[in-house]
Amino acid sequence: AQTVTQSQPEMSVQEAETVTLSCTYDTSESDYYLFWYKQPPSRQMILVIRQEAYKQQNATENRFSVNFQKAAKSFSLKISDSQLGDAAMYFCAYRSAHTDKLIFGTGTRLQVFP
Amino acid sequence: NAGVTQTPKFQVLKTGQSMTLQCAQDMNHEYMSWYRQDPGMGLRLIHYSVGAGITDQGEVPNGYNVSRSTTEDFPLRLLSAAPSQTSVYFCATFGEEGAYNEQFFGPGTRLTVL
Repeated sequence: AQTVTQSQPEMSVQEAETVTLSCTYDTSESDYYLFWYKQPPSRQMILVIRQEAYKQQNATENRFSVNFQKAAKSFSLKISDSQLGDAAMYFCAYRSAHTDKLIFGTGTRLQVFP
Repeated sequence: NAGVTQTPKFQVLKTGQSMTLQCAQDMNHEYMSWYRQDPGMGLRLIHYSVGAGITDQGEVPNGYNVSRSTTEDFPLRLLSAAPSQTSVYFCATFGEEGAYNEQFFGPGTRLTVL
């Protein structure tokens, strides 16, 4: 069975600095998708960034980028120029290309200090 | 285009009571799912449906029933609520957006069982 592990329950960063959130996963499949979701206090789940396993190039969305290491089964999220609005829970998620089920990690709470 | 809607936003039940959490989507997505979110455990899949008339169990299905009579609606039923079902519940749909595969989440329902 696939699993997703986020080993950092909490992280903090100063405004305008860079922070990296870690995520590792376990799968025997070669075709899958990886996601980072943000959950602010409003509870809404917001897709931050996504990566297809067959793509070697790391995904980037404005200040958000990933470091995807397929062999190491690692999928970290880097937030550059952190803003107060980035404070939230961040969830890493895995989805096999053969099913529609998302498997989530336990989340990392990010605090941003002015 | 409302996306994914959930009602109610909040609910308090007594042990043994029954209720239905409603989920509706207007994106014509075939795949719909229910997750529960508990502190320190991320989101866990309860039930899912790949189309009208088709449902299947996820990771934590006990105590919950679902049905899918239309593409738009996917209600989650608690027949006899228990305190262990106190959680935040999310409905999500899956749609293919070009080369990517994104799940769209509703705003969540916070359920407390006393």
